[in-house]
Amino acid sequence: GNSVTQMEGPVTLSEEAFLTINCTYTATGYPSLFWYVQYPGEGLQLLLKATKADDKGSNKGFEATYRKETTSFHLEKGSVQVSDSAVYFCALSENYGNNRLAFGKGNQVVVIP
Amino acid sequence: NAGVTQTPKFRILKIGQSMTLQCTQDMNHNYMYWYRQDPGMGLKLIYYSVGAGITDKGEVPNGYNVSRSTTEDFPLRLELAAPSQTSVYFCASSTSGRGNNEQFFGPGTRLTVL
Repeated sequence: GNSVTQMEGPVTLSEEAFLTINCTYTATGYPSLFWYVQYPGEGLQLLLKATKADDKGSNKGFEATYRKETTSFHLEKGSVQVSDSAVYFCALSENYGNNRLAFGKGNQVVVIP
Repeated sequence: NAGVTQTPKFRILKIGQSMTLQCTQDMNHNYMYWYRQDPGMGLKLIYYSVGAGITDKGEVPNGYNVSRSTTEDFPLRLELAAPSQTSVYFCASSTSGRGNNEQFFGPGTRLTVL
């Protein structure tokens, strides 16, 4: 079945630091890959996506590249701000079927001024 | 355009009580989903619907029921609440079943069963 694995534990870093959150996946077909972000007290919202191998998704300074050879979709941002403090979820959906999402466990990111 | 709305925001239930979590979307989306989010875990799919009158089970459907009588509404019913159902519940919708489509999420309902 489909599954998503995110690196363990919260991430705490200083403002303007470089952020990386690792995400690897297992899928039977050729999925689309997503990063969703959840700000405190809110629902999830789409941050970026990539729908085929070697695609790069980007938004708000965040980037992630769909790497089929390593089955990965790592999230990066060059210079984080306090406002980036949130929980980040990696997810995948098969490109056929009912758009059912499989989520990773999420990573809490705390950015300190 | 309110997007996906959920009510209530918070609820405390006693074991064995029942309740309905409401979800409404005004984007004319055919696909709707219910997820639960447990602490430190990702979201798990409970039920989903591909259109009015059509529903199907997700990963964790036991203890829940859904209906979809209109495109806009997708209520989730808990018949006999159990402590294991303490969670945050999110409703979501999307335009189609194609896997590259964004899902739009509501703000969530925090449910505690004591």
